[in-house]
Amino acid sequence: NAGVTQTPKFQVLKTGQSMTLQCAQDMNHEYMSWYRQDPGMGLRLIHYSVGAGITDQGEVPNGYNVSRSTTEDFPLRLLSAAPSQTSVYFCASRHRTRWGGGEKLFFGSGTQLSVL
Amino acid sequence: TQLLEQSPQFLSIQEGENLTVYCNSSSVFSSLQWYRQEPGEGPVLLVTVVTGGEVKKLKRLTFQFGDARKDSSLHITAAQPGDTGLYLCAGAQNAGNMLTFGGGTRLMVKP
Repeated sequence: NAGVTQTPKFQVLKTGQSMTLQCAQDMNHEYMSWYRQDPGMGLRLIHYSVGAGITDQGEVPNGYNVSRSTTEDFPLRLLSAAPSQTSVYFCASRHRTRWGGGEKLFFGSGTQLSVL
Repeated sequence: TQLLEQSPQFLSIQEGENLTVYCNSSSVFSSLQWYRQEPGEGPVLLVTVVTGGEVKKLKRLTFQFGDARKDSSLHITAAQPGDTGLYLCAGAQNAGNMLTFGGGTRLMVKP
């Protein structure tokens, strides 16, 4: 199994450019999410989805858009990149939509994004 | 201010030493997880604790959930260089959709 696949691995953007980070999972997971990781800040939730056609905001949603047209894919869009969005981005998925204890988040290997 | 505070942020020790990492909050969590992350990779789940006072052991790692379910600790006995990495705690609240992460503890074990 591939698990959670993220592309690209690295990306450099200029301020104001747009791009889409791709995330795909092959485990038929209902729940998918995007986190950003900054030094000393741990992982902060950007957006999440509990199923196809359903998305919601996390802690730090500003500047990011998501959509969930299929169970497998959950792309993250930066419409107008800013230097404050320089970070490492992780996509994660799990089977159930609500935490009942014991659920495991499966993470992709991350996308390192630099905005100049 | 983060919901989950981890301490210490950095820890550098010699092989064979013991260490404890703490994860504290003023909020109650229905479950708490510990993840380990290596450079260039995503976090990987080590353990989930769900009951106040629960203790779980994973070889040389001992995880404890506080009685009030507001805090947790990770104790490593006789640390090995292979334990080097970023350790993250993460808490879930009842019936919620979000998992909140602490800031992480970066551990380096020198041979």
